[in-house]
Amino acid sequence: AQRVTQPEKLLSVFKGAPVELKCNYSYSGSPELFWYVQYSRQRLQLLLRHISRESIKGFTADLNKGETSFHLKKPFAQEEDSAMYYCALMITQGGSEKLVFGKGTKLTVNP
Amino acid sequence: DADVTQTPRNRITKTGKRIMLECSQTKGHDRMYWYRQDPGLGLRLIYYSFDVKDINKGEISDGYSVSRQAQAKFSLSLESAIPNQTALYFCATKDPIGETQYFGPGTRLLVL
Repeated sequence: AQRVTQPEKLLSVFKGAPVELKCNYSYSGSPELFWYVQYSRQRLQLLLRHISRESIKGFTADLNKGETSFHLKKPFAQEEDSAMYYCALMITQGGSEKLVFGKGTKLTVNP
Repeated sequence: DADVTQTPRNRITKTGKRIMLECSQTKGHDRMYWYRQDPGLGLRLIYYSFDVKDINKGEISDGYSVSRQAQAKFSLSLESAIPNQTALYFCATKDPIGETQYFGPGTRLLVL
């Protein structure tokens, strides 16, 4: 079964501390993974995707196929990073494709 | 992203009523999606459309229907609303090249 697991519903860290939001996936094909972020009262927006291998707002995520993981990391968290974070997997089946989202992790960065 | 808009932004309705949520986009994308977001459940796909003649059910389509009136418009209907359809509903489009989905601002629906 194709699914995305974010084991932590809530994650709280202090400003300046490192943060890691975990994401594991299950997919028989070649995975294409994304992190979306939703700040308070705002729409979801793409944070980063594994194919681009870029760093956005100091966040990085590396695809580890052996561990089927795509954890999101930032070395020094900022208060403005407080938000809901969703890991998503693009599933392609018989010509159709869709995103499957994890249940999300709410990150709170305390001053 | 102002290129994807949803109306209404908030709606309160009663059990049994029919309501329609509308989504419009100016991005020129063929692919459009409807999701619902519930606390602790993340986003779940309701319906998606690859063009005006191609509509597909997502994982939770029961109780919902959609209409793709044009490339730019994708409407979600609740034929007979029930309280457990209370949720935040998002429309999204997909960039065919970059694979990014662009989300609307959401419609907060309360079914009494």
